[in-house]
Amino acid sequence: RKEVEQDPGPFNVPEGATVAFNCTYSNSASQSFFWYRQDCRKEPKLLMSVYSSGNEDGRFTAQLNRASQYISLLIRDSKLSDSATYLCVVNRVAETGANNLFFGTGTRLTVIP
Amino acid sequence: DAGITQSPRYKITETGRQVTLMCHQTWSHSYMFWYRQDLGHGLRLIYYSAAADITDKGEVPDGYVVSRSKTENFPLTLESATRSQTSVYFCASSDPNGRGGARTQYFGPGTRLTVL
Repeated sequence: RKEVEQDPGPFNVPEGATVAFNCTYSNSASQSFFWYRQDCRKEPKLLMSVYSSGNEDGRFTAQLNRASQYISLLIRDSKLSDSATYLCVVNRVAETGANNLFFGTGTRLTVIP
Repeated sequence: DAGITQSPRYKITETGRQVTLMCHQTWSHSYMFWYRQDLGHGLRLIYYSAAADITDKGEVPDGYVVSRSKTENFPLTLESATRSQTSVYFCASSDPNGRGGARTQYFGPGTRLTVL
C-alpha cells in the first residue's frame, strides 16, 4: 500500500469555481502534513502546512483528520494561475533523526477560462 | 540569492555508463536530499544527508551512491546506469533551525536523465 494516496485527477474547473482535493496516508506515525504545488516541468514548492485545527491561507483551506488519516485542500475562487499539480505530503522522523517526506503522486488541476 | 542548483539540467547517457548529478546549495542547510520522480510513483527518496560526511539510505537507494564532503554539495552517482533509472531527479535541502524547521524542504530545478 502506498504511503500517501491521492486522486490523480485531472480536475478541470472553470475560473471562480471551488475545488477540493483529498488525500489519505497509511502510517499513523506520520507527524506533519503539507500540500506542495508543482508546476509543469518545475520543482515542487511548499504551498502550506496542514494543522489538526484546520488552517487557511487566502483562498486555500487545509484540513487534517488524524483519526481517519485524511487530508484535504480546498481552493476557492479558482484562478488560471492555480493550474498545477498538488502534492499531498506527510512527514515522519527517521531513526537517524532526519525528517523524511513521503509524497503522493499528485492531483492535477486545470482552471479553464 | 542562488538557492539550490542542479547540473546538468538534462542528460542522455547509455546503459552501463557512470553518471554524476550535481547539487549545490548556498544556504548552508544541514540536510540535503535526493529524490526521483516517475509517473505513477510521485517523488521517492533515494538518499539523504544530515550533515557533511553523514549520509543515509532512503526508499530507493539501489544503484546509486552519494557523498557529502562539503555542506553545500551533495552529488548523486549512478555507478552503472540502467534504463529503469530514466527519471527526473530532484535535490532538496532543509534547515532545522530555519522557518518551518527541518520539515520544510526546498527543491532544486531538477535533472532530466534519460538512459538509452
